[in-house]
Amino acid sequence: AQTVTQSQPEMSVQEAETVTLSCTYDTSESDYYLFWYKQPPSRQMILVIRQEAYKQQNATENRFSVNFQKAAKSFSLKISDSQLGDAAMYFCAYRSGGDYKLSFGAGTTVTVRA
Amino acid sequence: SAVISQKPSRDICQRGTSLTIQCQVDSQVTMMFWYRQQPGQSLTLIATANQGSEATYESGFVIDKFPISRPNLTFSTLTVSNMSPEDSSIYLCSVPEGDSYNEQFFGPGTRLTVL
Repeated sequence: AQTVTQSQPEMSVQEAETVTLSCTYDTSESDYYLFWYKQPPSRQMILVIRQEAYKQQNATENRFSVNFQKAAKSFSLKISDSQLGDAAMYFCAYRSGGDYKLSFGAGTTVTVRA
Repeated sequence: SAVISQKPSRDICQRGTSLTIQCQVDSQVTMMFWYRQQPGQSLTLIATANQGSEATYESGFVIDKFPISRPNLTFSTLTVSNMSPEDSSIYLCSVPEGDSYNEQFFGPGTRLTVL
């Protein structure tokens, strides 16, 4: 099974500042997908951003962007201009290209200071 | 994206009893997944619910404990049987969507507390 590692249990950021969440994964496959999910206290899992392994260009969704380093098996999430509504648990997830099951990291709790 | 609902949203149950959680999707989907999120933990896949065939369980999860039904392409149930306090978790269903099913969306979850 693939291993997804999030080494930061908690991160704190000042409102309007930038925070970067780290994620590394272990796989021997060449075809896979990576995701960042947000889980606010409501517990709803919200898809933030998706990256296909075959794409060299880093994905961007508004204030959210990733730094995908395929050789290093690293997939970090940058939240720019942080807002109070960004406070949540963030999960990094991996999916094999030949399957649809997700493997999740342990999660990082993001706190936004006003 | 598909609209996914779950019932109940939360429940408190006595040990030794069973609870059935429903997952309804507003469109037909081939696959549905059931995940467990223990308190303060990440999500772990329980099983894949297949329409017209037996569910496929992940290592550590068995059908006798977590029987799953998938009577049609929009609905699935997960039963947590003979519950113990260790079963206290959030249970979430999810479906793959998008082009080539490259994205996966989740229901709102069911928060289960076992006393």
